[in-house]
Amino acid sequence: SAVISQKPSRDICQRGTSLTIQCQVDSQVTMMFWYRQQPGQSLTLIATANQGSEATYESGFVIDKFPISRPNLTFSTLTVSNMSPEDSSIYLCKGGYTFGSGTRLTVV
Amino acid sequence: QKEVEQDPGPLSVPEGAIVSLNCTYSNSAFQYFMWYRQYSRKGPELLMYTYSSGNKEDGRFTAQVDKSSKYISLFIRDSQPSDSATYLCAMSLTQGGSEKLVFGKGTKLTVNP
Repeated sequence: SAVISQKPSRDICQRGTSLTIQCQVDSQVTMMFWYRQQPGQSLTLIATANQGSEATYESGFVIDKFPISRPNLTFSTLTVSNMSPEDSSIYLCKGGYTFGSGTRLTVV
Repeated sequence: QKEVEQDPGPLSVPEGAIVSLNCTYSNSAFQYFMWYRQYSRKGPELLMYTYSSGNKEDGRFTAQVDKSSKYISLFIRDSQPSDSATYLCAMSLTQGGSEKLVFGKGTKLTVNP
């Protein structure tokens, strides 16, 4: 199965700023997925990212807030823009059935 | 009603016990059923994957699916302290040409030595 390196593992950010999370996969995957995991809540899909096309966002998530890049079949980024404390969460990427280790984001 | 319901626990058992973890679902369109294990501060890792009703065994783990009752279970035999983790059920369906996973909230399991 694929191995996914996700960075950063954690960060504390000021409100109003943006953070870009990176995921590198050790093999090519057609689709990559970005999830949010909040305490006591189910893993929630933010968007699906295919190479060469715009990401597909789930209800409640918009491109302006969570822009995604997918420049090739082994790499993707998720940006959390104009952050507020409500964005504090764990963000995870997934390729195939493999998840990254997650980014623990705290917005202060 | 949520699409996938999972008792969040927490569940605490002694080492060697048999553990039963369960999820119910409401959407008959779900095609595949998975169990993920998530250790603290790690991403979920796929444990078991099945698509038909019945049992699937892998070592100490058995996944059971009952499509008629919309109920899935994960059994862990001879549980070990290393099994202490959060277990997430997940179900997939195809929407718009891509596969979408719907997760339960997870059950936190502690196996005490």
